[in-house]
Amino acid sequence: DTGVSQDPRHKITKRGQNVTFRCDPISEHNRLYWYRQTLGQGPEFLTYFQNEAQLEKSRLLSDRFSAERPKGSFSTLEIQRTEQGDSAMYLCASGDVDTQYFGPGTRLTVL
Amino acid sequence: RKEVEQDPGPFNVPEGATVAFNCTYSNSASQSFFWYRQDCRKEPKLLMSVYSSGNEDGRFTAQLNRASQYISLLIRDSKLSDSATYLCVANSGAGSYQLTFGKGTKLSVIP
Repeated sequence: DTGVSQDPRHKITKRGQNVTFRCDPISEHNRLYWYRQTLGQGPEFLTYFQNEAQLEKSRLLSDRFSAERPKGSFSTLEIQRTEQGDSAMYLCASGDVDTQYFGPGTRLTVL
Repeated sequence: RKEVEQDPGPFNVPEGATVAFNCTYSNSASQSFFWYRQDCRKEPKLLMSVYSSGNEDGRFTAQLNRASQYISLLIRDSKLSDSATYLCVANSGAGSYQLTFGKGTKLSVIP
């Protein structure tokens, strides 16, 4: 257990619904990252926060995706109008300097 | 061309064998390199950072060749518990905390 927690661990939703995931990083880490991983692929970077500032965003992060870290602690990732292609494991990581520690992920299934 | 490329395997080796994984990266601006390990349906876990001078951690040795943009991981005296997918990782450049993962190489250590 790295100390990064994510909630929920599993989410099944119908196409078109909105979903929100939460990540609680290791408390002393000011950097927080979101990744998406599909079967047979490595994790793909989505976005990165330093404290409450969102500093990097991937082109994978379409306008249906939004991430926040309002107080520089926990973060939320919202997907609006979900599509079947959004089905994946959504991983959160926190870190300091170079190292990133991953949480257990939220597995999203869009029916 | 993928930014980080790995042989997907699978590598099936007997206990006690030595196995080597190779990885190439295309972004010459990458500064930081890592090997992560991922068990089935679990989150990636940092195995080791990779330094230009090469580094060793017990049975694991990582090497980096910046000129060839090549990274390797050597596992000696393989254990059953080493069975996992090994992910080669590079950052996106100086000052970037975005990590790019390879697809991973699957290792099965057989009794």
